[in-house]
This record gives sequence, structure tokens and C-alpha cells, in this order.
Amino acid sequence: EVQLVESGGGLVQPGGSLRLSCAASGFTFSSHWMSWVRQAPGRGLEWVALIQPDGREKFTLDSVKGRFTISRDNAKNSLYLQMNNLRAEDTAVYYCARDCSKAICYPIYYYGLDVWGQGTTVTVSS
Amino acid sequence: DIVMTQSPLSLPVTPGEPASISCRSSQSLLHSNGYNYLDWYVQKPGQSPQVLIYLGSSRASGVPDRFSGSGSGTDFTLNISRVEAEDVGDYYCLQVLQSRTFGQGTKVEIK
Repeated sequence: EVQLVESGGGLVQPGGSLRLSCAASGFTFSSHWMSWVRQAPGRGLEWVALIQPDGREKFTLDSVKGRFTISRDNAKNSLYLQMNNLRAEDTAVYYCARDCSKAICYPIYYYGLDVWGQGTTVTVSS
Repeated sequence: DIVMTQSPLSLPVTPGEPASISCRSSQSLLHSNGYNYLDWYVQKPGQSPQVLIYLGSSRASGVPDRFSGSGSGTDFTLNISRVEAEDVGDYYCLQVLQSRTFGQGTKVEIK
């Protein structure tokens, strides 16, 4: 079964750090781009970060640049989001999602963000 | 950065009737390869989001054919030919041309 399972969320004080993990199974993780998407309470979806299959190319939402770092370990079929200097506005459910299926994302390899995890909740509060 | 604007933000619908959601981008999403880099997603209550339409008009696997996507460049539409009660949820467009950006979302609810 194709599956993504996030972990690592929790309650953290402003200025603190958390590392989210996303464990992938049932597909060739090392072939896929991967995204992190978040949803603040009562708000819409917000894309956060994107990483290429080999981890060399990364894209990050402007408001989290310099604070959040996306990474992956293909040997462990795992995606990560290191979050530093957390702010109250970072409070959200964080989802990982499977993205394009090849390093060079031609249209024939793209099916949308077609697999999502159940999300992990991050609460930034004193 | 590309800004995505959806309308309406709230859409009361009647089962059996058609419905449509609009999405406009601040820059053209039409790539030189002829594809529009625009997806549609739905988030049903208590669930993770799921893809409905990718690259403008391609229906994702398992999505009922009452859902269709149209448009090109900067103006896109998600159409539901006959709304069913199970279609209640929040609908989002997502541009995937330059990193990714979601629209604000449209809440679809039964009248």
C-alpha cells in the first residue's frame, strides 16, 4: 500500500525548534519530488517546501526561508522538515505529499500531489 | 511570486445541480510545452487533501467523471456537472509552474 506517515509534531515555545519526519512506503521514494504543505487552524492550505529526488534542488516558501529546511534520506525512505526559530504563525497541521515522479518533471511524469499523509500538528505557544 | 485567486469563497449547492469554481493566476500557467500547470484539490471534512485534476484538465485516478477542469493561461474553472452530497468540502487550486502556490480555497456546502 502506498503510504506517507508524518511524525514529530508537538507543542513548542516561540523561538524553539522541531524536526518533522515523513516515512514513505509502497512506492519508489527516491524517484519522486516531495512537498510539505501546512494548514493553520481554520485556514486554507499553504505550500511550504519542495525537494528534488536526489535532494540537490530545493524550494521554500519565502516566509519560512532561513528558518525551515527540507531534506530527505532516500536510504531510509524518509522526508524531513527542520523548523527553527518557530513563531506562533507556524502553528498548523503539516502534511507531506508525493509530487512529481521523475527528477526532470516532464508532464507525463506528473499526476498532481497524489499521495498525502494524515498530517502532524505543530503548536507554537508559550 | 505567482498569486492564486479563487472565487467564490463560499458556494452553496443543490444536489443534482451543476457547480463551478473559478481560479485566476497572476501570471500565465501555460508552459511552452502546451500544458497548463494548474491542479485542483478537495479536502473533505476531517480528511487530508486529495487531487482531483492535474495539469489543467487531467482527471486523477479514481475521480468521478462529473468533475472536470478547463481553462488556460490565467483563468481556470473546476466544474461539477451534478453535485452529490459527498462533494461537500474545501476546494483549492494549486499552481505548479513556479514552486507551488495554493488558492485561498472555496467552501462547498449543501443548501
